[in-house]
Amino acid sequence: EVQLVESGGGLVQPGGSLRLSCSASGFTFSNYAMHWVRQAPGKRLEYISAISDNRGITYYADSVKGRFTVSRDNSNNTLFLQMSSLKNEDTALYYCVKGTTSTFWSGGGMDVWGQGTTVTVSS
Amino acid sequence: EIVLTQSPGTLSLSPGERATLSCRASQSVSGSHLAWYQHKPGHAPRLLIYGASSRATGIPDRFSGSGSGTDFTLTISRLEPEDFAVYFCHQYGDSLPQSFGQGTKVEIK
Repeated sequence: EVQLVESGGGLVQPGGSLRLSCSASGFTFSNYAMHWVRQAPGKRLEYISAISDNRGITYYADSVKGRFTVSRDNSNNTLFLQMSSLKNEDTALYYCVKGTTSTFWSGGGMDVWGQGTTVTVSS
Repeated sequence: EIVLTQSPGTLSLSPGERATLSCRASQSVSGSHLAWYQHKPGHAPRLLIYGASSRATGIPDRFSGSGSGTDFTLTISRLEPEDFAVYFCHQYGDSLPQSFGQGTKVEIK
């Protein structure tokens, strides 16, 4: 069974940093793109970052570009999201999502989602 | 960015009734790369439909998807008690960022 378990969320002050992790199991992790999606309170889901398979090609939404860094450790089946210069508007539930192909472009969709980890940015 | 608009916002129906949910895109979704998910509070979203009309593994055949271009529909032929949830659409075509609709809540009437 494919499983994704996020961790690392918490309360952080504006300007602070946080590192989210996503532990994956049940599939050949290195073969698939992985995605980060967030949902702020009362808002729709927002696609914020992705990383391709073992080639490690990355994507960032404009809202997080230059502040967030996505990476993966294929030997330990773990996805990361390093978040820095955090803002109040980064407060959200962050989901790790498995891709359906090795890429996140041109039809690279998603199938399995984790339950999410909550990030709260507040002073 | 492709903006997805779902309607209605809330659908109040009884078990056994048919549910029809709409997802309209601000521009054409390439390759009909449109998915539907079910989301219940405290649970991870569950993929129902991908490629606009293909059911994901294990999804009952009362769920069906249709559409192309800018107009897509999710139909639940006969609502079961476990189907009352939020449903959202997702486009994953050529245009980055991928994007999501705002969701339709299907509630018990």
